[in-house]
Amino acid sequence: FMLTQSHSVSESPGKTVTISCTRSSGNIAKNYVQWYQQRPGSVPTTVIYDDDQRPSGVPDRFSGSIDSSSNSASLTISGLRTEDEADYYCQSADTSTVVFGGGTKLTVL
Amino acid sequence: QLVQSGAEVKKPGESLKISCKGSGYSFATFWLGWVRQMPGKGLEWMGSIYPGDSDTTYSPSFQGQVTISADKSISTAYLQWNSLKASDTAVYYCARRTATGSLDPWGQGTLVTVSS
Repeated sequence: FMLTQSHSVSESPGKTVTISCTRSSGNIAKNYVQWYQQRPGSVPTTVIYDDDQRPSGVPDRFSGSIDSSSNSASLTISGLRTEDEADYYCQSADTSTVVFGGGTKLTVL
Repeated sequence: QLVQSGAEVKKPGESLKISCKGSGYSFATFWLGWVRQMPGKGLEWMGSIYPGDSDTTYSPSFQGQVTISADKSISTAYLQWNSLKASDTAVYYCARRTATGSLDPWGQGTLVTVSS
């Protein structure tokens, strides 16, 4: 299966943005979805795991969800800050492989 | 944590083996994978290994292009090329795959530059 993300999104500080990730085949709920944030020159870090869980240290401005009707996962960031500007990747895995979305570049302007 | 070997500069046709050493968890009982990130591009899953028995899986795009191995006695996994190409220039990350399919932690990345 593949995971498809929009290439880029931009929003103003303080606003809310939602980044989506659509699974090409198979139910989105079949395997957990993760979201990683990657700032330029840095290692990816987890902002959401297991569909909607936040690691300790990740602010509650970040939330994740899945929607079986659209077969997609979403990452929502509220109260946008300039430091949220980064690339965001969704990821899922079945028994044999790991799949990444193509990444969404978030610009906060 | 996962600690990777340092940056490498190689010529086309040369061989290379980079490493990823795990600590703070039972290295043999978690799948360990490799992720490629070419300059300015996204994350690509290359394949993974189960150090406990060296069972290995490869993404179709990387099958036959690289070799993944591990030495559980020293908690270290490896990614190896026999003949590098300029298109292998990238940052390579190792990452532990958890039971639910997430990747955590990640290594710090190894920059491989292949240039004549």
